[in-house]
Amino acid sequence: GENVEQHPSTLSVQEGDSAVIKCTYSDSASNYFPWYKQELGKRPQLIIDIRSNVGEKKDQRIAVTLNKTAKHFSLHITETQPEDSAVYFCAASKGSGNTGKLIFGQGTTLQVKP
Amino acid sequence: NAGVTQTPKFQVLKTGQSMTLQCAQDMNHEYMSWYRQDPGMGLRLIHYSVGAGITDQGEVPNGYNVSRSTTEDFPLRLLSAAPSQTSVYFCASSAPAGTDTQYFGPGTRLTVL
Repeated sequence: GENVEQHPSTLSVQEGDSAVIKCTYSDSASNYFPWYKQELGKRPQLIIDIRSNVGEKKDQRIAVTLNKTAKHFSLHITETQPEDSAVYFCAASKGSGNTGKLIFGQGTTLQVKP
Repeated sequence: NAGVTQTPKFQVLKTGQSMTLQCAQDMNHEYMSWYRQDPGMGLRLIHYSVGAGITDQGEVPNGYNVSRSTTEDFPLRLLSAAPSQTSVYFCASSAPAGTDTQYFGPGTRLTVL
């Protein structure tokens, strides 16, 4: 079955620096890759997603890149702020028919130091 | 819209007890899923459903039962609770095709003694 590996497990940056979180997936049929942010005690919230027909997607300070050949995708956060501190999860699925079946990475705890 | 709702928010069970975690959504989503979240292990898919009357197993289905009699509701049953089922449980829903965005409920924190 699908497996998603996420690195690093923890990441500490200074406010204003960039943060990068990387994920690899095993199933070449996966075509939908969302990223979720989870604050302590809260539910996961979608922050950005990308499909396999797109190489990069940006939304203000957040961007995601996808390399289908290498089967990896990354989350980039620029100009980090203390409120970016949270746990971030990547996930993969075979969208449009299997969207109830997300396979998640293990999560990255991001700490942004003021 | 209330979105995805879950009850209860907290629950303590004794080993061997049974219970049902409730999940409902009012967005007319066809897809619904149950995940469990354990420290350091991310979210793992327990069961999912692509529509009323259709369910399938995820990564960790053992010890859990589901049914989907309506589009709105997707309850998760623990038949005989075990300490290994202590976890936070999230229900999620999404519409087919389109954005594929999954919306999560607020979660149920379950402790099995």
